[in-house]
Amino acid sequence: DTAVSQTPKYLVTQMGNDKSIKCEQNLGHDTMYWYKQDSKKFLKIMFSYNNKELIINETVPNRFSPKSPDKAHLNLHINSLELGDSAVYFCASSLGTGGVYEQYFGPGTRLTVT
Amino acid sequence: AQSVAQPEDQVNVAEGNPLTVKCTYSVSGNPYLFWYVQYPNRGLQFLLKYITGDNLVKGSYGFEAEFNKSQTSFHLKKPSALVSDSALYFCAVRDGGSNYQLIWGAGTKLIIKP
Repeated sequence: DTAVSQTPKYLVTQMGNDKSIKCEQNLGHDTMYWYKQDSKKFLKIMFSYNNKELIINETVPNRFSPKSPDKAHLNLHINSLELGDSAVYFCASSLGTGGVYEQYFGPGTRLTVT
Repeated sequence: AQSVAQPEDQVNVAEGNPLTVKCTYSVSGNPYLFWYVQYPNRGLQFLLKYITGDNLVKGSYGFEAEFNKSQTSFHLKKPSALVSDSALYFCAVRDGGSNYQLIWGAGTKLIIKP
């Protein structure tokens, strides 16, 4: 039973295309996150939702748009992909907010933009 | 400014020896501190956290960490390293600002040699 799952695992696409990454958690958590991990392994928070409400919206190009249809799902849509978007994107979830609860990470989606 | 530092990019330890992965932090208010591990091509996994209480925190896989308020440190330790401990380790601290997101260290690559 996968706790946090992401699809697809790999995504190879050309500049200018639009793509989506899906995330689902079956842990019953209220809070979900999107992170970007670059080639140097730096981890950067992008967005966080709590009970479908956006609570963290870091300085991210507005080409990135998260959507949470329910608290078990958090999708990431990326418009007009650029070379610099190539990275591994991780979804995570936690029981709640406040920086108190441990986060559970998905396996990641490796996005390659050519 | 609030920050977390992992001063070593890489730590090399012989199997069976004790290991330490260092983390120092700077935050306003009481620090909430976390350690996560990332194995190759995997998502991050929670190891342990310090919120309050005993300064020595025990976590998964035999790891522990010591919170030192005067030195603003939260070093990860294990008495006897295993080759399977080889991975990337991240320290994180809760941002004392308004949204309480985690501030992540740059990661330390731990290599355990047989």
